[in-house]
Amino acid sequence: ILNVEQSPQSLHVQEGDSTNFTCSFPSSNFYALHWYRWETAKSPEALFVMTLNGDEKKKGRISATLNTKEGYSYLYIKGSQPEDSATYLCAFRGGATNKLIFGTGTLLAVQP
Amino acid sequence: DAGVIQSPRHEVTEMGQEVTLRCKPISGHDYLFWYRQTMMRGLELLIYFNNNVPIDDSGMPEDRFSAKMPNASFSTLKIQPSEPRDSAVYFCASSLREGEQFFGPGTRLTVL
Repeated sequence: ILNVEQSPQSLHVQEGDSTNFTCSFPSSNFYALHWYRWETAKSPEALFVMTLNGDEKKKGRISATLNTKEGYSYLYIKGSQPEDSATYLCAFRGGATNKLIFGTGTLLAVQP
Repeated sequence: DAGVIQSPRHEVTEMGQEVTLRCKPISGHDYLFWYRQTMMRGLELLIYFNNNVPIDDSGMPEDRFSAKMPNASFSTLKIQPSEPRDSAVYFCASSLREGEQFFGPGTRLTVL
């Protein structure tokens, strides 16, 4: 059974704080790591697809890094805003399959 | 493009009834995925298709569940007979080749 774990489960920060969370995944047979943002009552929205060890991707105030050798990825949010409040999901893709294994997510709440 | 379209958005049915969920992927996408989201298990893949052919159905919980993709623009997920434990939000997603997946709005199913 492939395990994709995210920590922390939830996070409460003040507007303007910077924050980060972790996704751990199997280090063997790695193909890609996806990050999604999921707002309440909406559907998951893709943030990044990362494939290479050492990859760093950025979209506005959100960035992500990837370490495939040790099996982790960090998602960073700089200067959190209330509209960043959402669940952030990572998903692991291994080998030749196009199947994604999702973590349980980190729920971020940003207080104004 | 309108994005991934799912219908119905909400379905309430009684135990034992047949339920059919529908999905129209983004035009030109060659992969289609069916997911189920529950509090207990998070977001889990049920089945996915590539060019209308089922590739991996290992996530389909039991014989009561079936999925079809008769053409590139339409897929169904059928539950017959439905049970209360099938209550969940069912998402359809599509992707071009093995890129990011675009999710539909989901169907919230309640089986009484």
